[in-house]
Amino acid sequence: KNEVEQSPQNLTAQEGEFITINCSYSVGISALHWLQQHPGGGIVSLFMLSSGKKKHGRLIATINIQEKHSSLHITASHPRDSAVYICAVGGATNKLIFGTGTLLAVQP
Amino acid sequence: NAGVTQTPKFQVLKTGQSMTLQCAQDMNHEYMSWYRQDPGMGLRLIHYSVGAGITDQGEVPNGYNVSRSTTEDFPLRLLSAAPSQTSVYFCASSYDPKVPQETQYFGPGTRLLVL
Repeated sequence: KNEVEQSPQNLTAQEGEFITINCSYSVGISALHWLQQHPGGGIVSLFMLSSGKKKHGRLIATINIQEKHSSLHITASHPRDSAVYICAVGGATNKLIFGTGTLLAVQP
Repeated sequence: NAGVTQTPKFQVLKTGQSMTLQCAQDMNHEYMSWYRQDPGMGLRLIHYSVGAGITDQGEVPNGYNVSRSTTEDFPLRLLSAAPSQTSVYFCASSYDPKVPQETQYFGPGTRLLVL
């Protein structure tokens, strides 16, 4: 079993829908990252959080440390949100552990 | 700032050839790392560095060497390329060596094909 599990692996949505991507982890962490990878490969950091909730535009990330679970929400989804969303966790060491990603396709 | 840059963008090698993937950042970041990304798998750490002159192994270091002679540069060397090293390679950096607490900045990636 992977230390970081994401669900779903693939997600297709219609433009305007509310989207949720989940990340569960089994190790103790000090921070969790959400990353976005567009077709063409570039990876961009969306959020880094260690507790509670963060919001940036239409994106919201939450984390529940006790349940070892985080969610990434996208409100009013748009085709330009189509990408792979990656969850990564960091603990006591200088290393991040990555999930395998969720491929999101938002159709017009 | 250019951020994190990687060269080349794409490379084809024959089995047994050696090459160096270049990575540079102009943000004065202490922490730099190399990952490989393979289908169906998460990014895996190859090597990392917490500052000039300091490097350490990650999860999949075999077949790769690194050095960190300056804060800016962190090249990755493939000693004798094998088809199993066909992958997309990403370099990343962050300011503080305590990487879990810091935003990661990624380069655009190098797509490597070993025949």
